[in-house]
Amino acid sequence: NAGVTQTPKFQVLKTGQSMTLQCAQDMNHEYMSWYRQDPGMGLRLIHYSVGAGITDQGEVPNGYNVSRSTTEDFPLRLLSAAPSQTSVYFCASRRGEGQPQHFGDGTRLSIL
Amino acid sequence: EDQVTQSPEALRLQEGESSSLNCSYTVSGLRGLFWYRQDPGKGPEFLFTLYSAGEEKEKERLKATLTKKESFLHITAPKPEDSATYLCAVRGYNTNAGKSTFGDGTTLTVKP
Repeated sequence: NAGVTQTPKFQVLKTGQSMTLQCAQDMNHEYMSWYRQDPGMGLRLIHYSVGAGITDQGEVPNGYNVSRSTTEDFPLRLLSAAPSQTSVYFCASRRGEGQPQHFGDGTRLSIL
Repeated sequence: EDQVTQSPEALRLQEGESSSLNCSYTVSGLRGLFWYRQDPGKGPEFLFTLYSAGEEKEKERLKATLTKKESFLHITAPKPEDSATYLCAVRGYNTNAGKSTFGDGTTLTVKP
């Protein structure tokens, strides 16, 4: 039982490049979320999904896209990378309302 | 809007020196308060969920308690392996489906 798996673990991009951060969970959870974690700013919600085919914006969605074609996968796309998107990105899933979240180990992203 | 404030920001203890971490919150109808542990380079790991005032949960040297305004994470006779950042999060009944509000965390260091 792998839980939540994120790839890659580390990535360096140049300004303007695009990339996709992968997230997969094997717990059959309906709810999935993407957060970014920055020093002094805690965990901030980027996008979330309440089931396959359903996504919505969080607090800081600009510059990011998501899709949810299957229950298991929830990729995060950076459209045109900017230095302000340098951060650690965490994917999380949970079984339902009022349930705790299960996190992956993060993707550390640097934009030069 | 839901708010979470954790204190202190950092706490240094000697091995065996018990103490408490505080999580003050405001939420419109608490659906759940969650404690997580985060080790460097890792994602947050779930510890406890508390649902109503007066509730307590225990796990090894950790005990979480809840009132209508705050939660405490009590650490009894800590060991160096308890060193980590402890995060508190809340979800309310009026919070949108994807969002949990996180505090900035308390970084605990336990010296042998």
